[in-house]
This record gives sequence, structure tokens and C-alpha cells, in this order.
Amino acid sequence: EVHLLESGGGLVQPGGSLRLSCAASGFTFSSHAMSWVRQAAGKGLEWVSAISGSDDRTYYTDSVKGRFTISRDNSKNTLYLQMNSLRADDTALYYCAKDFWLSIWGQGTPVTVSS
Amino acid sequence: DVVMTQSPLSLPVTLGQPASISCRSSRSLEYSDGNTYLNWFQQRPGQSPRRLIYKVSNRDSGVPDRFSGSGSGTDFTLKISRVEAEDVGIYYCMQATHWPPYTFGQGTKLEIK
Repeated sequence: EVHLLESGGGLVQPGGSLRLSCAASGFTFSSHAMSWVRQAAGKGLEWVSAISGSDDRTYYTDSVKGRFTISRDNSKNTLYLQMNSLRADDTALYYCAKDFWLSIWGQGTPVTVSS
Repeated sequence: DVVMTQSPLSLPVTLGQPASISCRSSRSLEYSDGNTYLNWFQQRPGQSPRRLIYKVSNRDSGVPDRFSGSGSGTDFTLKISRVEAEDVGIYYCMQATHWPPYTFGQGTKLEIK
């Protein structure tokens, strides 16, 4: 069974950094692209970033370009999202999802940016 | 960016009755490979989103056949033939043709009357 487990969220001050992790199991991780999607409390879904499976091509939504970095360690079956220069409007539940087309989702990890 | 517009935003439905959600995109979602990358997601209260439909009309594994997707170009529809209590939640359409970024509709909240 495919399973995705996010971790690393928490409370951080504006301008701070966090690194999210997503541990994957139940499929051949290195063969699949992976994505991050976020959801602010009571709001809709916002795609954040994606990374290809084979050649590590990366993609970002404009609001996080230059601040967030997506990466993966195929030897550890783990996806990462390094978030720097965090702002209040980055506050959200962050989900990782399998594939470019978001076929399977994790349970999410909360990020709160506040002083 | 492609704008996805759903309607209605709130959908009260009687158990056993059909339901329909519309999703319109600001430009055609047909890709040069002939596919149309329009997905539907369900988010039950307190749960993570779950993909129901991919490429307009293909149901994901385990999705009941009372859910169906249709449409082309810029107009798409998710239909539930007979609403059950477990269908309560928010439904999102998402385009994956013109990306980055993928873009989602605002969400349609389905509730039982």
C-alpha cells in the first residue's frame, strides 16, 4: 500500500526557515515525480512545487520561487521542501503527493509563521 | 495562470439524489498530446484530499462508480449519480495541462439537506 508521511512542520518566526520531509513507502519512489501542495486553514488547495523522478527537474509556483527548494533522496525514499524567508502567508498545512498529478496524498504537516 | 472556476460553491443534496459540479477553465485544457489533464479531488471533513478522477473521466482505483467525470475544452462536470452520506465534503477540480503552476478551483462544498 502506498503511504506518504510528512514531518518537519512547526511554528517559525517571519524570515525563518523550516525543512519539511515526506517519507514514502509502497512504491518505487525513484520512478515517480513528487509534489507539494498547501492549504491555509479554511481555504482551498494551492500547488507549491514538484520534482521529477528521474532527472530532478524542479518546478515552483511564483510566490515561493527563490525561497523554497524541493529535493529528494531516492536512497531514503524521502522528499524534502526547504523553506527559507518564511512569511505569514506561508502558514498552511503542507501535503506531499505522489506524481505530478497528485494521485496519493499524505496527511499533511502544519506550518505556522508568526512572531 | 489558468483560472479554474467552479459552480456552485455550495451544494445541498438530498440523500439518494444526483449531484453535479461544474468546472470551467480560462483556456482550453487539451494538451498537444491529445490528452486533457483535468482532475477532480474529494476532501472529506478533517481528511486529506483524495483524487477521484483523472484526465476528465478516469476513475481512480476504489472510487465508486456513482462518480463520473465528463467534459472537454474549457467545460467539465463531476456527477454523483446518487449521493450517499460519505460523499459529504469539498470537491476541487484541478488543471495540469498548462503548468507550472497547477491550478485548482475554489472548491464546492457538498452537504446533505
